[in-house]
Amino acid sequence: QKEVEQNSGPLSVPEGAIASLNCTYSDRGSQSFFWYRQYSGKSPELIMFIYSNGDKEDGRFTAQLNKASQYVSLLIRDSQPSDSATYLCAVNPSGSARQLTFGSGTQLTVLP
Amino acid sequence: DAGVTQSPTHLIKTRGQHVTLRCSPISGHKSVSWYQQVLGQGPQFIFQYYEKEERGRGNFPDRFSARQFPNYSSELNVNALLLGDSALYLCASSPLKRAEIIAKNIQYFGAGTRLSVL
Repeated sequence: QKEVEQNSGPLSVPEGAIASLNCTYSDRGSQSFFWYRQYSGKSPELIMFIYSNGDKEDGRFTAQLNKASQYVSLLIRDSQPSDSATYLCAVNPSGSARQLTFGSGTQLTVLP
Repeated sequence: DAGVTQSPTHLIKTRGQHVTLRCSPISGHKSVSWYQQVLGQGPQFIFQYYEKEERGRGNFPDRFSARQFPNYSSELNVNALLLGDSALYLCASSPLKRAEIIAKNIQYFGAGTRLSVL
């Protein structure tokens, strides 16, 4: 089975710190990778996507992809209490009908 | 622009009943996918439709079915409901193009339908 693994947390960081969220995937042929943020009781909201090895930055968010290590991460700089949510890593596995395979999510709490 | 819209927002059913969930994609999006999210887990893929054809199916029993209409809206049907079907059902739309070789597969989710089976 093609799996996506995340630390479930909870992960707590103080306001203003860098939050680091990690994700590993089993399907080496996966081509696209996504980070979604999900507030409690709400639906997932796309915050980053990355296709190529290396870093991709968007405001306070940086996604990092290492296909050789089958590893993708999300860094949140200057964390704010409003960043407190569950962060879902999603992968588009090879040979799929364009489905996304999600991890179970990491719960992040930013402490004021 | 309106995002992905789903109806109803909440639904309570009893075991053995049937349910129909509805989804309208973002304007211009021709692909709709359905996911089931059980509390504490990530969404799990159920179906994808593109231009009214089923393009993929996840590991769900035949009690689950779906279709897509000419206006690209979609319905998810679940028959013979079980307690374990209680979940948040999410619809996602994607601006996929037929010619896309690399499945970038950017998907935008609706607010979901929360189904409770008693």
